[in-house]
Amino acid sequence: DGGITQSPKYLFRKEGQNVTLSCEQNLNHDAMYWYRQDPGQGLRLIYYSQIVNDFQKGDIAEGYSVSREKKESFPLTVTSAQKNPTAFYLCASSITRDNEQFFGPGTRLTVL
Amino acid sequence: DAKTTQPTSMDCAEGRAANLPCNHSTISGNEYVYWYRQIHSQGPQYIIHGLKNNETNEMASLIITEDRKSSTLILPHATLRDTAVYYCIVRATGANSKLTFGKGITLSVRP
Repeated sequence: DGGITQSPKYLFRKEGQNVTLSCEQNLNHDAMYWYRQDPGQGLRLIYYSQIVNDFQKGDIAEGYSVSREKKESFPLTVTSAQKNPTAFYLCASSITRDNEQFFGPGTRLTVL
Repeated sequence: DAKTTQPTSMDCAEGRAANLPCNHSTISGNEYVYWYRQIHSQGPQYIIHGLKNNETNEMASLIITEDRKSSTLILPHATLRDTAVYYCIVRATGANSKLTFGKGITLSVRP
């Protein structure tokens, strides 16, 4: 089955701890993205990567970091510097940056 | 800043066509109109996109006005599973090709 997987679906962490969210795709897509969604709001772009070993900041990158060492993987680290980390995090991928994006099921992060 | 305007909500009866409007009066010549939907607590799902011509796929039809300042997404036979938030997004290609999600329109399909 081709697609985008995010795990886990629910994640709980204590304040002050870094946490890494995984995103894997087997669609052979070049581009990958991370979004954040808060209740009742649309999605906001955190980071994106157009190709392996390259990534750019989105609109709300502060307090987050990413890596793109493999084409199929784009993990997101939520650092302790992120002031409001509790949110629904969505990963997406597309064939290239100009094509439609396909989304994973999301990870709901709660920081206690 | 959102480049599209959508009503907050609408409903339709199951089996009837759902026509979801979107205004994008400041759209540029190289910008496409994209539609996604999001069912509660799931990732958004791509529906359709277009530039100038009307488009149709297995999920929906997209009707874009001749001046490109507005469009309508048509779900021909709405089912209860189509209840979701629908996002209309204007997106350029190239270096500025990011999706900017507004609040969307909540479609409720009633039995």
